[in-house]
Formats: sequence, C-alpha cells, structure tokens
Amino acid sequence: AQKITQTQPGMFVQEKEAVTLDCTYDTSDPSYGLFWYKQPSSGEMIFLIYQGSYDQQNATEGRYSLNFQKARKSANLVISASQLGDSAMYFCAMREGGDYGQNFVFGPGTRLSVLP
Amino acid sequence: DTGVSQDPRHKITKRGQNVTFRCDPISEHNRLYWYRQTLGQGPEFLTYFQNEAQLEKSRLLSDRFSAERPKGSFSTLEIQRTEQGDSAMYLCASSFPGQWDNEQFFGPGTRLTVL
Repeated sequence: AQKITQTQPGMFVQEKEAVTLDCTYDTSDPSYGLFWYKQPSSGEMIFLIYQGSYDQQNATEGRYSLNFQKARKSANLVISASQLGDSAMYFCAMREGGDYGQNFVFGPGTRLSVLP
Repeated sequence: DTGVSQDPRHKITKRGQNVTFRCDPISEHNRLYWYRQTLGQGPEFLTYFQNEAQLEKSRLLSDRFSAERPKGSFSTLEIQRTEQGDSAMYLCASSFPGQWDNEQFFGPGTRLTVL
C-alpha cells in the first residue's frame, strides 16, 4: 500500500488565485512528521513547510499553509496568491519511525502550472 | 557556496561497470541522506547516516549499492555492476537536528545513465 498518496498528477491555477494540493498518508506510528517540497524544472528539491503529528495548529510559512486533518490522515498544501514562479512539481513526504526515526517516504508528486 | 554539493552532476556508464558518487553536506550538518529519483516519481529513500554511522538502509536497496561516510563529513555512494534499471537521479540531502524536525537540504543530484 502507498504510504503517501497524491491523487492529482497535474493541477492548473490562475495567477494570484489560491490552490490546494492534496496529500494523504498512511502510518501506524504515533509520532511522525509531514513535509512539502517543491522541485522546479532545475531539479533541486526545496523545503516548503513542516507539520508534526503532535502539532495542534496548522503550519504556515508565508504563502504556504498546511491543512492538517489527523483523523483523516491528510496534509494538504495550500498556496495562496499563486505566482508564475510557483510552477513546479510538489512532493508530500512523511518521516516515520518514531521520534528518532529517519525513514522518509515521498509521494509521487503533483505538477502545478500557474497560468498568467 | 555553502549548500549541499554533489559530484559528478552527470555520469554515463556501460552496464556492468562500477560507479561512485560523492556528496558534500552543509558543514555543520551531522545527518546525511541518499535518495534515488526516477523520472516522474518522488525521491525514494536509500540510506541515512548520523555522523559516520549508517543508521538506516532501505530494504529495497540492492547489495550492489554501498554507501560510506568515513569521517562524518562527505559521503560516497557506490553502485557495483550497474544495470539499466539503475538509471536515475541520485540525490543527497543533509540536515541538523532541531531545525524544523529535520528539514533536509538537498543537493543538485547526480544523473546516472546506464547504457
């Protein structure tokens, strides 16, 4: 079974609009971390935002926010006020293995295209 | 530049040859990770070092793959007897505990093509 599911292979959004990228995960660990990374066409992975399994509040970082619904095991990324430079692949990832585990699992990604 | 660096950036080899890649992490980072990424997929975890100790290794990692981090600084990833299925981007990342619960900084990757 897939540990990280991203059901949207591709998404389009108009510049300055908000967009939500879906991510669901599967783990039995009580302690885990959820990450979103951006990979532009240049290839380098760029960290965007992190959510811990025990965090009570949704994480926010500038134009990025993470809609964390623990019971549903979802961690959707919301990008507000999209910019042309946001066009890239977006990967959801999970760190599991308890408090000190370092096994990271990435989803298949969503390609976001921002239209002018 | 104080980011993660990888060498070489591109490698073309013939099937059956051995290849070795190098990763230099950010200097104060004691954690180092190797990933493999094939076209259209997310990175796949290969192995993890804390300082010089290899603490985690993917069960999917063939015994043709070996990684070292002898002095807890740079790391090497060797693939023996390469196969065409090994063609991929090999990514290295480093992190320091306590930052964003292990935010990883990635290098530019080494693209391997096995002919």
